[in-house]
Formats: sequence, structure tokens, C-alpha cells
Amino acid sequence: GQQVMQIPQYQHVQEGEDFTTYCNSSTTLSNIQWYKQRPGGHPVFLIQLVKSGEVKKQKRLTFQFGEAKKNSSLHITATQTTDVGTYFCAGKSNAGNMLTFGGGTRLMVKP
Amino acid sequence: DTEVTQTPKHLVMGMTNKKSLKCEQHMGHRAMYWYKQKAKKPPELMFVYSYEKLSINESVPSRFSPECPNSSLLNLHLHALQPEDSALYLCASSQNAGAGYNEQFFGPGTRLTVL
Repeated sequence: GQQVMQIPQYQHVQEGEDFTTYCNSSTTLSNIQWYKQRPGGHPVFLIQLVKSGEVKKQKRLTFQFGEAKKNSSLHITATQTTDVGTYFCAGKSNAGNMLTFGGGTRLMVKP
Repeated sequence: DTEVTQTPKHLVMGMTNKKSLKCEQHMGHRAMYWYKQKAKKPPELMFVYSYEKLSINESVPSRFSPECPNSSLLNLHLHALQPEDSALYLCASSQNAGAGYNEQFFGPGTRLTVL
């Protein structure tokens, strides 16, 4: 079945440093979504990418969808303590109907 | 109202108990989901309801029994659970199911402990 992998599993950064998490799918995706889960919280939708090579920005967050629609990345510029949490990608394949979540990247920010 | 609510927030139950988790949304969404999330793991899909009908059961043991009384409500009935079933149970909803294009709105979850 479809597998979605994320790296790294954990990332410690100093406040102000940049952060990137990568998502790779074993199959071509029709779209990919990104969610953030704060410690003790629930996943919250951030963004959805649909087109090959798509790039979207939300303030300090930049999301990319690969040309082959099998990978994606989330880049945070100048991290802040409010960015702490686990970032999940979730992809839908062309064949399947539902989202498959990646393992998540847990971001910790030292003030 | 862009909120999914879940009750209870916490639940402790014995292996012989019967309990139910409840989920409600008033966004007019026609798809509702149950996920199970273990610590430091991603959410794992359990069930999907689309237009109040069960459309996906991800091979979940029968000790978990979902119910969708109407388009706003989703229940998860629990019976004879095992300690390894202890987890955060998340409910989510989206505009519709199947397309996978729609963002999912998650509730705050029920933290379940099975003794």
C-alpha cells in the first residue's frame, strides 16, 4: 500500500534558525496536505498542494510540491517558540481515496 | 462554527466496561472520521462515514463499533477493550469524503486509558 515517509523525526533548533521537513511518498500523489499538532493538542490543517511544482507561502512558512508529485517540503524561516509542535504531511494517491499521514517531524525551538 | 467537539476529554475504563465516545460538528460536513493516535505517532485512520453511511473500515477489531446517528454526530462504542487500545481518539470531519481534496477539521480528542 501507499507509504508516506517524513524526515527528520526530530529537530532541535535555536530560535531564529531555519527548519525544513521533507515528505516522500512511495506512489504519485494527487494532492498533499500539511498539518501541525502542538504538544497536547490536535492536528490543525495548514495547507494543501495540488499542482506539480506548486509553491505556497504563509508568512514564514513555505510549502513545496515536487515536480513528480511524490515529495513535498515545509520550510520555516527564522523559527519562533510558537512554531513548536509536530508537523505532519498527509498525501492522497491517485489510486486511493483517503489521506495517508507521514510519521511527522517534531520541532523543538530553544529560546 | 468551525469546530469539532468531542466528549469526554478523558476516559478511564476497565477491560469489561462498555463506554462511548461522542463527536459533533455543525459545519454541514458530510464526511466524518475516527482516528487513533498513539504517543509520538501519526493519526491512524479507523473509520470513515460518508453521508451517514460507513464507507471505510480499516480492519478495526469489532470491540470498536462506530455509529452515525445523523449528519452532525458520530459515536464510537467501546466494549471489552485491551490495555493496548489506550490512545488519543480523534474525530475529524471534512466537506465530503472520497475526493481527499478537502481539509480535515479535527476535534480535541478523547484520551482513553484501558486498565
